[in-house]
Amino acid sequence: KTQVEQSPQSLVVRQGENCVLQCNYSVTPDNHLRWFKQDTGKGLVSLTVLVHENDKTSNGRYSATLDKDAKHSTLHITATLLDDTATYICVVGDRGSALGRLHFGAGTQLIVIP
Amino acid sequence: DMKVTQMPRYLIKRMGENVLLECGQDMSHETMYWYRQDPGLGLQLIYISYDVDSNSEGDIPKGYRVSRKKREHFSLILDSAKTNQTSVYFCASSPQRGNQAPLFGEGTRLSVL
Repeated sequence: KTQVEQSPQSLVVRQGENCVLQCNYSVTPDNHLRWFKQDTGKGLVSLTVLVHENDKTSNGRYSATLDKDAKHSTLHITATLLDDTATYICVVGDRGSALGRLHFGAGTQLIVIP
Repeated sequence: DMKVTQMPRYLIKRMGENVLLECGQDMSHETMYWYRQDPGLGLQLIYISYDVDSNSEGDIPKGYRVSRKKREHFSLILDSAKTNQTSVYFCASSPQRGNQAPLFGEGTRLSVL
């Protein structure tokens, strides 16, 4: 059973627009949640990590929130650029070390058009 | 330069042939992983290695084995490859302690015909 669900599956926005990606999960325990960016044909690159209830993080034009009660996270991308075209993957870790397991969502494919 | 290097990047094999995928890292990370990524699915863990000769099965180990004889090197072996092993394989590494994000390689795209 999929424990990390992402929506939408795909999204097309115009350059300069904002967008929001959603992640719902059922992983227990949920030690931390991480958002990765995967460019086509490349590996995953970490964007941000959220650890605590109601955490909010910001990394340039990327910002993320975590609601541990609702087991829900959002990734906001502000003023999108063509280089933001990629798959964004939500990952929930059940422990705070490499001894834990990582649970991966299937990703949201974002396409930014001129 | 912190990097996970996977070789080869692309590979085509016939069903029944043996396959060797190699992964190296230069950070002296204790933990290394092999995942596969298929369309519409999240990454699935094949094997995890906690250090030299300390390997554990992941969620989908059937049809695969691994070897870790040096901390910086982790191999994935497919004995007698099957067509359903066509996939993109990712290696990653992370330190054992702390909450650092795993560092991923760029993947090996394997086609088994």
